[in-house]
Amino acid sequence: GAVVSQHPSRVICKSGTSVKIECRSLDFQATTMFWYRQFPKQSLMLMATSNEGSKATYEQGVEKDKFLINHASLTLSTLTVTSAHPEDSSFYICSARFNSYEQYFGPGTRLTVT
Amino acid sequence: GIQVEQSPPDLILQEGANSTLRCNFSDSVNNLQWFHQNPWGQLINLFYIPSGTKQNGRLSATTVATERYSLLYISSSQTTDSGVYFCAVVRGNTGKLIFGQGTTLQVKP
Repeated sequence: GAVVSQHPSRVICKSGTSVKIECRSLDFQATTMFWYRQFPKQSLMLMATSNEGSKATYEQGVEKDKFLINHASLTLSTLTVTSAHPEDSSFYICSARFNSYEQYFGPGTRLTVT
Repeated sequence: GIQVEQSPPDLILQEGANSTLRCNFSDSVNNLQWFHQNPWGQLINLFYIPSGTKQNGRLSATTVATERYSLLYISSSQTTDSGVYFCAVVRGNTGKLIFGQGTTLQVKP
């Protein structure tokens, strides 16, 4: 149980285009999902909290107009990187809150912007 | 905000050896989880352990909440144990996980 999927696992896009990443909880409903970013050999940095049916809450320093989050159902949250630039290249990971405090993570999406 | 510190930052073991990883946190927490990030980037849940002791096979964890630390024990290490081990905590009711910097473990055959 408690499986979270992400799609795509890898994406390469040109500078200026937008990329959408999907995060799904496969066997449970998640009213809250989280999006993280991880640079090579560093820890995970929380970008935003995604709540089903309401606006996402962004961490300080994260541009909400650049990283659009939609949580339209209890099993799906999407992150859209708009007008991507090479500095947006990173490993993006989502998690879903399984119960009050425990989170399960997706396998991650490696984004490369050329 | 709360600080989470892990030690050691790097650890190299021979297969079969035992190890202890430590996580210190600067304030009281509602949740503490240990994760293993494999070479492909997937975070695997090891323990949900805000307090007490748990065991799962060769791994066990202990959290002493009153003293604000947690320990992860790996016994009879295998090469597949290699990767980065993260400790993460939740303070308050936000559900937000705050990660430590991780311990990178390399197990040599």
